[in-house]
Amino acid sequence: DAGVIQSPRHEVTEMGQEVTLRCKPISGHDYLFWYRQTMMRGLELLIYFNNNVPIDDSGMPEDRFSAKMPNASFSTLKIQPSEPRDSAVYFCASTPGSGETQYFGPGTRLLVL
Amino acid sequence: QKEVEQNSGPLSVPEGAIASLNCTYSDRGSQSFFWYRQYSGKSPELIMFIYSNGDKEDGRFTAQLNKASQYVSLLIRDSQPSDSATYLCAVNPRVGNNRKLIWGLGTSLAVNP
Repeated sequence: DAGVIQSPRHEVTEMGQEVTLRCKPISGHDYLFWYRQTMMRGLELLIYFNNNVPIDDSGMPEDRFSAKMPNASFSTLKIQPSEPRDSAVYFCASTPGSGETQYFGPGTRLLVL
Repeated sequence: QKEVEQNSGPLSVPEGAIASLNCTYSDRGSQSFFWYRQYSGKSPELIMFIYSNGDKEDGRFTAQLNKASQYVSLLIRDSQPSDSATYLCAVNPRVGNNRKLIWGLGTSLAVNP
């Protein structure tokens, strides 16, 4: 099993630019989660999907953030325009429908200058 | 607001000792509890989950749950330097199809050779 795949692994961009993070969940998993992790705030849930449908997006910071899941094997998290305070590690995780264990991808380290 | 509290540490123990990590949660109705380990620069990975009051053992790890006192702990016996990591406690506050976890900020553990 390939595990959760995220790309890019590292992203450096300038303030105001659009950033798109990508995630491929484990095949057969029904749930997909996007998290942001910083030293100060820890691991924060941004949004999660069930069968490609957004269930809870209460953690999305503001309108600059958007997430989509067009099919069961692909999701994107977009930040437009990016700001320095968006610098963090962004994790994608997935869960099978029958369980609660979340399997994390390797993360994307985002630095906004 | 539902919260999960952990002592940030660092908790320092000698090799071979028992490491005890604690977590308290605010939602009395919480149903499932998870311990994840996160090495520096890596993604969280599941160590154990526990649903019922009492102890659950898996190798050198024991999870303990006390719903009346609203705490969950993780014991690591015969601690090894490779156990040095941040340990994250996560709680699912509801039953049913909800998959949203509330995360603590983590406890940093250092096992000294």
